Amino acid sequence: DADVTQTPRNRITKTGKRIMLECSQTKGHDRMYWYRQDPGLGLQLIYYSFDVKDINKGEISDGYSVSRQAQAKFSLSLESAIPNQTALYFCATGSRWGPQETQYFGPGTRLLVL
Amino acid sequence: AQTVTQSQPEMSVQEAETVTLSCTYDTSESDYYLFWYKQPPSRQMILVIRQEAYKQQNATENRFSVNFQKAAKSFSLKISDSQLGDAAMYFCAYRSLINNNAGNMLTFGGGTRLMVKP
Repeated sequence: DADVTQTPRNRITKTGKRIMLECSQTKGHDRMYWYRQDPGLGLQLIYYSFDVKDINKGEISDGYSVSRQAQAKFSLSLESAIPNQTALYFCATGSRWGPQETQYFGPGTRLLVL
Repeated sequence: AQTVTQSQPEMSVQEAETVTLSCTYDTSESDYYLFWYKQPPSRQMILVIRQEAYKQQNATENRFSVNFQKAAKSFSLKISDSQLGDAAMYFCAYRSLINNNAGNMLTFGGGTRLMVKP
């Protein structure tokens, strides 16, 4: 079984709709992240969470919100989707313990906003 | 803020040969981590190799090795004995060691698409 799972894997929605992308992890990590990848580009950080009560904005948080329902679950919401939010979205996890935090990525969710 | 630059949008290599992907970065910090991630057509981001800036020895993982030049702020990836399964996008990434610096976020380069010819 995958350590980091994302649902759905693909989603098509219309402008103005509210959608939620979900992420679950079985790695026991305290930190979770949401990234966005635009075609041909690297990833940009949307939001990150150190633990259930600690949520922070990343580089490009406008138009997005998140919820950390449990240590293992971190969801990303688009309150009113717009076409330029069409992108590939990645969830990642990491641990604060130890000197070498490596982030582990989920398989990605491809979102198309019409 | 840190920046990561990958100057080669595309590279190609013959199967079984060696290829080097370039990455440069800009930072004022002295301690940090550098990573290479692979993104195959499946879209998953897969960690290839990691380098700690305080280590002088270059990291190696089987056929993958890096050439880390701290003074030059260069971090290239060498893939030896290239295989068809190595075809993917490769991303160089930087992570600060300063606690609570945006959650130790990864700063990514724009990626290099590697094609492997049979």
